[in-house]
Amino acid sequence: DTAVSQTPKYLVTQMGNDKSIKCEQNLGHDTMYWYKQDSKKFLKIMFSYNNKELIINETVPNRFSPKSPDKAHLNLHINSLELGDSAVYFCASSLYRGPGVGNTIYFGEGSWLTVV
Amino acid sequence: TQLLEQSPQFLSIQEGENLTVYCNSSSVFSSLQWYRQEPGEGPVLLVTVVTGGEVKKLKRLTFQFGDARKDSSLHITAAQPGDTGLYLCAGYSGGYQKVTFGIGTKLQVIP
Repeated sequence: DTAVSQTPKYLVTQMGNDKSIKCEQNLGHDTMYWYKQDSKKFLKIMFSYNNKELIINETVPNRFSPKSPDKAHLNLHINSLELGDSAVYFCASSLYRGPGVGNTIYFGEGSWLTVV
Repeated sequence: TQLLEQSPQFLSIQEGENLTVYCNSSSVFSSLQWYRQEPGEGPVLLVTVVTGGEVKKLKRLTFQFGDARKDSSLHITAAQPGDTGLYLCAGYSGGYQKVTFGIGTKLQVIP
């Protein structure tokens, strides 16, 4: 069973469209994250949720809106997509927040978003 | 904004060689992690270091956290083709343990 699964894996869409990426973890973790990795492989945290509560919200355009219906799910909705939004988006989870020893962050396989 | 600089950014070596990857910052981190990412997959955690001066070994990989907790290194002994991948360091700080990732080191080990 996949620990952190996200869908879709590939998404090609036109500028101006609205799209969502879904994420689910079956590890029983309390904390979930969204990361963005650009074409240069630079990985940057976007959001972090702990027990459905938003705890980290980095400088991200408000066109990006995370939603956590329960602690096993963290979806990412993007409005009015722009060319610069093209990237790989990774969902991740950890047992609790903070990177302490033993608190491994598990990443999903990524969602490749291409905006044309 | 805290920055983590990794060097070298690209490294291509022959199987059996040794190598060291560096992760440097002017900021102090409460802990630092190393990840390896293979093409088409998400990063996988290799190690977490917490104490200044700490050294951890994972088979042929040796990780060191600087005494001042501003830098770290990853040394691979007798590299193998299976070590090929993108190595990322990530530093954590702040009340909510905000994470900063380095740009990554892309390693290619040639058989």
